[in-house]
Amino acid sequence: AQKVTQAQTEISVVEKEDVTLDCVYETRDTTYYLFWYKQPPSGELVFLIRRNSFDEQNEISGRYSWNFQKSTSSFNFTITASQVVDSAVYFCALSEAGANTGGFKTIFGAGTRLFVKA
Amino acid sequence: EAQVTQNPRYLITVTGKKLTVTCSQNMNHEYMSWYRQDPGLGLRQIYYSMNVEATDKGDVPEGYKVSRKEKRNFPLILESPSPNQTSLYFCASSIYPTDTQYFGPGTRLTVL
Repeated sequence: AQKVTQAQTEISVVEKEDVTLDCVYETRDTTYYLFWYKQPPSGELVFLIRRNSFDEQNEISGRYSWNFQKSTSSFNFTITASQVVDSAVYFCALSEAGANTGGFKTIFGAGTRLFVKA
Repeated sequence: EAQVTQNPRYLITVTGKKLTVTCSQNMNHEYMSWYRQDPGLGLRQIYYSMNVEATDKGDVPEGYKVSRKEKRNFPLILESPSPNQTSLYFCASSIYPTDTQYFGPGTRLTVL
């Protein structure tokens, strides 16, 4: 069955520290997609990245980077030189193409709340 | 402006009083979905729709109904709300199920 685990419930760092948010997933499909979304205190959900199961290249976008490793079923997210504005809840999510599940569900992790202190 | 809208944004109601939360998107997306967000549980999918007249259950469909009569609209219906349905609800849409989902602003529902 699909499952997404974000083991870190809350993380607190001081500004300018690097922080890594962990995401481990389970799926039976060979074709699937992984996402990260950010939910700032204002409550909206902001898309950060989408990655398909055939593309294991790491990605960097400014201070954000993502490490996708199929061998460990992980899709971790690193913020370099964190800033107070990075304080938010971050969700990892998994969507399958439905070959084995017969549907197109999306499963979210429980989220990691990041506090960045000035 | 491309967007997903939800109404109402906030609702306080009583047990058993039927309610509908509307969701509309202007991006001509095929796929729409409803989620509920509860502390410590993340977002859980309630129902999703692949297209008009095509809906299917997510992980927590009990107590909810949906319909998709038009491509742009995907209302969530609570026929007899109960306190355990107090939650923050999000509607989302995307071109395909595995594409990036665009989320509405959320509806905070309290059932007394």
